[in-house]
Amino acid sequence: AQSVTQPDIHITVSEGASLELRCNYSYGATPYLFWYVQSPGQGLQLLLKYFSGDTLVQGIKGFEAEFKRSQSSFNLRKPSVHWSDAAEYFCAVGVWSGGGADGLTFGKGTHLIIQP
Amino acid sequence: DAGVTQSPTHLIKTRGQQVTLRCSPISGHKSVSWYQQVLGQGPQFIFQYYEKEERGRGNFPDRFSARQFPNYSSELNVNALLLGDSALYLCASSLKGASGYTFGSGTRLTVV
Repeated sequence: AQSVTQPDIHITVSEGASLELRCNYSYGATPYLFWYVQSPGQGLQLLLKYFSGDTLVQGIKGFEAEFKRSQSSFNLRKPSVHWSDAAEYFCAVGVWSGGGADGLTFGKGTHLIIQP
Repeated sequence: DAGVTQSPTHLIKTRGQQVTLRCSPISGHKSVSWYQQVLGQGPQFIFQYYEKEERGRGNFPDRFSARQFPNYSSELNVNALLLGDSALYLCASSLKGASGYTFGSGTRLTVV
């Protein structure tokens, strides 16, 4: 079974500083990888996804992520954070199994705090 | 276009009762999945439906059941509610399995 680890429960970053959120996954083949963001009391918004091809993926809101097979990682980055980026961030892995798909497996999330 | 819509948005139930949560996927999306998100945790997979057939089930007891209708909308039923069932229940739809999931805003269930 696949698993996702987000090692950082909380991260505090100053506004305008760069950001990197870590994500490691465990799965025997190449999975589908996702980053979602969740504001308090809200659903999940997809930031970006990786299925195949270019290992550097561009997403919405200026986010990008890089798939590194050798490290089983899919870290999320942003060059300059804004106060509105404060939220909970979830990394998730999905598996396509023939005629259907298994559900997503999520990490426990990283809570991002932005300092003025 | 409307996104994934879930109803109701909030619900309070008593232990032992039964609850039905509803989800309407994005038009054209044939895959619907359900997740439970306990406060402070990541969402946990409950069910996956594709073309009205169950394609996956997470590690949840038989008190949890779901179905998908011909119009691809879905219901999640939970029987014999426990206090631990209090959570945000999220529905997600996609065109074809893992091609990319769009989530609804969820139903906040409180069991008292």
